[in-house]
Amino acid sequence: QAVVTQEPSLTVSPGGTVTLTCGSSTGAVTSGHYPYWFQQKPGQAPRTLIYDTSNKHSWTPARFSGSLLGGKAALTLSGAQPEDEAEYYCLFSYSGARVFGGGTKLTVL
Amino acid sequence: QVQLVQSGAEVKKPGASVKVSCKASRYIFTAYYMHWVRQAPGHGLEWLGWINPNSGDTKYAQNFQGRVTMTRDTSISTAYMDLSRLRSDDTAVYYCATGGTYFDYWGQGTLVAVSS
Repeated sequence: QAVVTQEPSLTVSPGGTVTLTCGSSTGAVTSGHYPYWFQQKPGQAPRTLIYDTSNKHSWTPARFSGSLLGGKAALTLSGAQPEDEAEYYCLFSYSGARVFGGGTKLTVL
Repeated sequence: QVQLVQSGAEVKKPGASVKVSCKASRYIFTAYYMHWVRQAPGHGLEWLGWINPNSGDTKYAQNFQGRVTMTRDTSISTAYMDLSRLRSDDTAVYYCATGGTYFDYWGQGTLVAVSS
């Protein structure tokens, strides 16, 4: 089974910009991995922010964006808000099977 | 608004099996795949598999092959996840999730505690 790797923790200042990344043990991440990004706050179910690399849901704040960057999937937060402090998970597809990354704890401080 | 309501918390002994249900409403149950995801206390998300409610086809995570079974009953718009040979490290909150882009809507989660 593939392993998906995320930064364990990151810190961003309010109003600042931060990029979270996800790599795959199988090699470069492509659009064919259909990358997803989820936000999870304590005691809540995860919420999808980004699907299929860069697509947003109607509930996704405009300050979040998804891309491929240097062989990885990336989630960029521009203009961080205190309410963005949360755990963020990526998810990749491998021929229909899915694998989550270990999660990035984002602190807004 | 799509609604997924899961069954209540379970306490099981090691070696037992558990069956978690996920009742769907306010959409056509057979239209979207149903995924199952779990989260152990203080840990990250782990994908277990999916079921196509229309065909009954399934795909399971390699780590759970032989231990997990996903089924559905289209007459009552309910999906089920059965996990056998439970171990203490199966203690987790189990979620069902569905939607047009697969993970749009989530159930409230079901805590399964495995303890002797």
